[in-house]
Amino acid sequence: QSALTQPASVSGSPGQSITISCTGTSSDVGGYDLVSWYQHHPGEAPKLMIFQGSKRPSGVSNRFSGSKSGNTASLTISGLQAEDEADYYCCSYAGYSTYVFGTGTKVTVL
Amino acid sequence: QVQLQQWGAGLLKPSETLSLTCAVSGASLSGRYWSWIRLPPGKGLEWIGEITDSGIPNYNPSLKSRVTISADTSKNQFSLKLSSVTAADTAVYYCVRGPIDNSFYYWGQGTLVTVSS
Repeated sequence: QSALTQPASVSGSPGQSITISCTGTSSDVGGYDLVSWYQHHPGEAPKLMIFQGSKRPSGVSNRFSGSKSGNTASLTISGLQAEDEADYYCCSYAGYSTYVFGTGTKVTVL
Repeated sequence: QVQLQQWGAGLLKPSETLSLTCAVSGASLSGRYWSWIRLPPGKGLEWIGEITDSGIPNYNPSLKSRVTISADTSKNQFSLKLSSVTAADTAVYYCVRGPIDNSFYYWGQGTLVTVSS
């Protein structure tokens, strides 16, 4: 069970859109529509942003959206804002009642 | 609103056993899933394991031989033990409500555990 692969960093200017990829295998990302995404500001607890691939919990801005194609899931942040600067992690169900997280992506707002 | 309050020793020596406890308020431990997740410095999140609504634990295969997750419904608490720790186990450890819908909704405040001789 290897960590899902994410780009180390992604950056964008305020108002722009950015996309973070999360690549796994057919045993995790590709095998289930069960990818979730978390925003983490250092020193705070991570926050769930997307669950089951594309669903937003109550209270999460609709600027955040999720999708999947094959073994790669993606998180898109539109209308980038300064408060979006954080680390982002994907997570997938990996079968046999286990979960695997991604390597993490640092988002910088220029 | 579910609240998770966690505690445990923050400094361990190699080969010792890490022990953390998480007290749940605002929800009953019974009938729900509860997990432990960690964040090593400079690395990504890692799912350690869960205890199910039936009291059955499931573990990350890479940690399975050293991990024990248990629940005390009378105290509304659940616990993590990780044996034979090394420096690689240095991390912030979070207790978490979930998975719910295969996701992790409510997180404790995190406990930094450092392993150093």
